[in-house]
Amino acid sequence: EAQVTQNPRYLITVTGKKLTVTCSQNMNHEYMSWYRQDPGLGLRQIYYSMNVEVTDKGDVPEGYKVSRKEKRNFPLILESPSPNQTSLYFCASSLYGGGTDTEAFFGQGTRLTVV
Amino acid sequence: QQPVQSPQAVILREGEDAVINCSSSKALYSVHWYRQKHGEAPVFLMILLKGGEQKGHDKISASFNEKKQQSSLYLTASQLSYSGTYFCGTEVDNNAGNMLTFGGGTRLMVKP
Repeated sequence: EAQVTQNPRYLITVTGKKLTVTCSQNMNHEYMSWYRQDPGLGLRQIYYSMNVEVTDKGDVPEGYKVSRKEKRNFPLILESPSPNQTSLYFCASSLYGGGTDTEAFFGQGTRLTVV
Repeated sequence: QQPVQSPQAVILREGEDAVINCSSSKALYSVHWYRQKHGEAPVFLMILLKGGEQKGHDKISASFNEKKQQSSLYLTASQLSYSGTYFCGTEVDNNAGNMLTFGGGTRLMVKP
């Protein structure tokens, strides 16, 4: 089954404790991205990757890191989480990046709470 | 810059129609529409490319007015299953085409 898998689904952590949210897709997609969703603000892009070893900042990259060492995986790293990073996070992938007629597939989301 | 969606929320009775609008201040290459049900991931509805497209399947259709940089999503004869939050996502026409920027969402509730 074609899917984007995020882990964990729920996470409560303390301020400053490094964490990683994993994202994996099995569709051989080139393009992957991370979004955070906050009430009233919709989905805001954090980082995206056009292909292996190619990443770039989205609209709200501060406080986050990503890496794309393999095509299928695109982990989101919070080196020193803060309470304002409490949010619902979605990973998404599509066959190609923007400018092409391709849909994005979203993972099930990770609800992160930083206390 | 995020596209602007309107209305922010709408309540319908089953069988009624609704229109959700999405506008951008930048020249767009494409507009994507997604629906998200509570507690779930957004699900793709359709993509419209510049050139002034109209698309539709079943009772959900959309149009893209390239001159106005606006897109509208039309839901006709709404069903209970249409309830959810609708997002438009836009790609700027700058030959980079790397980012999909979403609007703030329109919450749609269909009542029996």
